[in-house]
Amino acid sequence: DAGVIQSPRHEVTEMGQEVTLRCKPISGHDYLFWYRQTMMRGLELLIYFNNNVPIDDSGMPEDRFSAKMPNASFSNLKIQPSEPRDSAVYFCASSQAPGAGGDTQYFGPGTRLTVL
Amino acid sequence: AQSVTQLDSQVPVFEEAPVELRCNYSSSVSVYLFWYVQYPNQGLQLLLKYLSGSTLVESINGFEAEFNKSQTSFHLRKPSVHISDTAEYFCAVSLYSGNTPLVFGKGTRLSVIA
Repeated sequence: DAGVIQSPRHEVTEMGQEVTLRCKPISGHDYLFWYRQTMMRGLELLIYFNNNVPIDDSGMPEDRFSAKMPNASFSNLKIQPSEPRDSAVYFCASSQAPGAGGDTQYFGPGTRLTVL
Repeated sequence: AQSVTQLDSQVPVFEEAPVELRCNYSSSVSVYLFWYVQYPNQGLQLLLKYLSGSTLVESINGFEAEFNKSQTSFHLRKPSVHISDTAEYFCAVSLYSGNTPLVFGKGTRLSVIA
C-alpha cells in the first residue's frame, strides 16, 4: 500500500485566500484524523471521522475551518479565508477499526502551509 | 482529559552512547501509550506502543520503553545510538488504541553527534 497520501506537500498563499488540503487514507481504514503541528502548540487534533462521519470537531479553531469526507477514499480540509496564524504543518492519519487490529494511526507526510 | 509532558525539548548525545527520552502522562482513566518518530520533513512513524501485557515494549531498531503506572511514565531508551537516530520523538496517549485521537507531548529533538 502507498500509505496515507496528502497533497499538496507545500502550499504558499496570501492572507484571505481559500486553501484546500487533501488526504487519501490507507485503503480499508475506517478512521481518519486531521492534526496540526505548530511550534507554539505542538501537535493537536483538529477533527476525526469514522466511516466518513465526523465524530469530534472540537479541535477546529473556528468557522474558517471546515473538513469533509465525501467517501472512504478522500477527505479535504478547507480554510476560508486563510490568515497568517494558520501557517503550520497539517497531518492526516488513518487507522483500522478495533476489531481489525486498529491499534495504530498511520500518518501522511504532511502539508506545510504558509500564509503570507 | 489526558496530557503528556516530555521533560526535555532537546537531547544531544554522542554516537554509541545510551540515551533516555522522558515522558510522563496524566489521565484519570487507563490509557494506551505510543512513541512516534519524525525525521526531517517527513510524517510521523510509530516507533513502539504499549496497549497491555508486558510493561516493557521494544522496537525493531533497538529502542525500548517501559510503562510505569505508579509513576505515570513511559520513558524511551536505547543503549547505543546511531547518527541515523537523529530525529524528533513524540510521546502520545489515547483512550482506546488507535481509534481515538492521540494527545501528544511537545516532542524531544534527539541529536546524535559523531
